[in-house]
Amino acid sequence: DQQVKQNSPSLSVQEGRISILNCDYTNSMFDYFLWYKKYPAEGPTFLISISSIKDKNEDGRFTVFLNKSAKHLSLHIVPSQPGDSAVYFCAAYRTYKYIFGTGTRLKVLA
Amino acid sequence: SQTIHQWPATLVQPVGSPLSLECTVEGTSNPNLYWYRQAAGRGLQLLFYSVGIGQISSEVPQNLSASRPQDRQFILSSKKLLLSDSGFYLCAWTNRETIYEQYFGPGTRLTVT
Repeated sequence: DQQVKQNSPSLSVQEGRISILNCDYTNSMFDYFLWYKKYPAEGPTFLISISSIKDKNEDGRFTVFLNKSAKHLSLHIVPSQPGDSAVYFCAAYRTYKYIFGTGTRLKVLA
Repeated sequence: SQTIHQWPATLVQPVGSPLSLECTVEGTSNPNLYWYRQAAGRGLQLLFYSVGIGQISSEVPQNLSASRPQDRQFILSSKKLLLSDSGFYLCAWTNRETIYEQYFGPGTRLTVT
């Protein structure tokens, strides 16, 4: 039972354009949603999170949108930079547990 | 500031051998601690979490175990490794007041041969 899904395994975007990474979930009881960036052979780096009672949170170039009716969240990166090339994971939190998606590999083309 | 350490960084072990991976957190008290595994090309699978000394919750039944002998120390163990235990093991912590932020260690690459 995959409660958190990232259906796009990869995404390529031109430098300077917007990157949109998507995530779907099935459990409406999650309290928070988080996004992480991961380079090979390193631990994930926390990027941004959003409470389930909000629909938008912004931090610099990163904005997360939450659509509770669709059980969908997205991470927008504007403008995209070559250093943003990595695997991005979304995660959902409830009662001590964080459930992760399978990740989307973002490639930002110079 | 808070830091999280994991060791060793890489490990090659034969099937049937024991395992001990250690994680320590500095700069915080009473953290929630987590062990995850990332298999090749897969997402992060939660293995264990702990909300206090001696308190361990297991998410996936398998031949691994975890212990928390001190507030900021979390250990992942196995008595006999299987080939399927190969993967990238990650320790993470959260502050109880800011559970919407979780921070990971550098990870241990385990190869069981």
